Amino acid sequence: GDSVTQMEGPVTLSEEAFLTINCTYTATGYPSLFWYVQYPGEGLQLLLKATKADDKGSNKGFEATYRKETTSFHLEKGSVQVSDSAVYFCALRIKEYGNKLVFGAGTILRVKS
Amino acid sequence: DTAVSQTPKYLVTQMGNDKSIKCEQNLGHDTMYWYKQDSKKFLKIMFSYNNKELIINETVPNRFSPKSPDKAHLNLHINSLELGDSAVYFCASSQAATEAFFGQGTRLTVV
Repeated sequence: GDSVTQMEGPVTLSEEAFLTINCTYTATGYPSLFWYVQYPGEGLQLLLKATKADDKGSNKGFEATYRKETTSFHLEKGSVQVSDSAVYFCALRIKEYGNKLVFGAGTILRVKS
Repeated sequence: DTAVSQTPKYLVTQMGNDKSIKCEQNLGHDTMYWYKQDSKKFLKIMFSYNNKELIINETVPNRFSPKSPDKAHLNLHINSLELGDSAVYFCASSQAATEAFFGQGTRLTVV
């Protein structure tokens, strides 16, 4: 079935380091892809999205490109801040099945000052 | 203005009790969802309603019953609560295939 695989965390980085969180997916249809972020004690917030192959989503310095050939949607940021510490979820949406969001397991990011 | 609001934020209850969680969205969306997040942060969809009609019903014990009185509300009722029901429950909404907006979550603790 449709699924999302993310790199395991926690990922611990120093401030201003480069961030990559890998995400790959398996889908039978043509999914839209999303990154959501969950700060401690809060709900999920949409970070960025891409709806078709080669689209690049970007927001708050984060970027991810929809790569159909490698079925990937890796999240990157050039210089992380302590305030970026959170749990990051990669997700795909399957339009053919009630617009269901399927999430990866989440990756905890910890940024040290 | 809160887009998707859930009440209560925290719920502590004893095994065997029945409880409800309420969700309201003011975004005018036509689709609402309930997700469960376990202690390892894993998120899994439970139910989805589109225009008050149930369209997704994942493998969830029938002790869980969603109710959508109108497009803006999706409540979750849980009968005979068990220890394993302890989790954070998130309500979300979306308009067709656009991104989903999530509530702040309800942390349910069954003791």
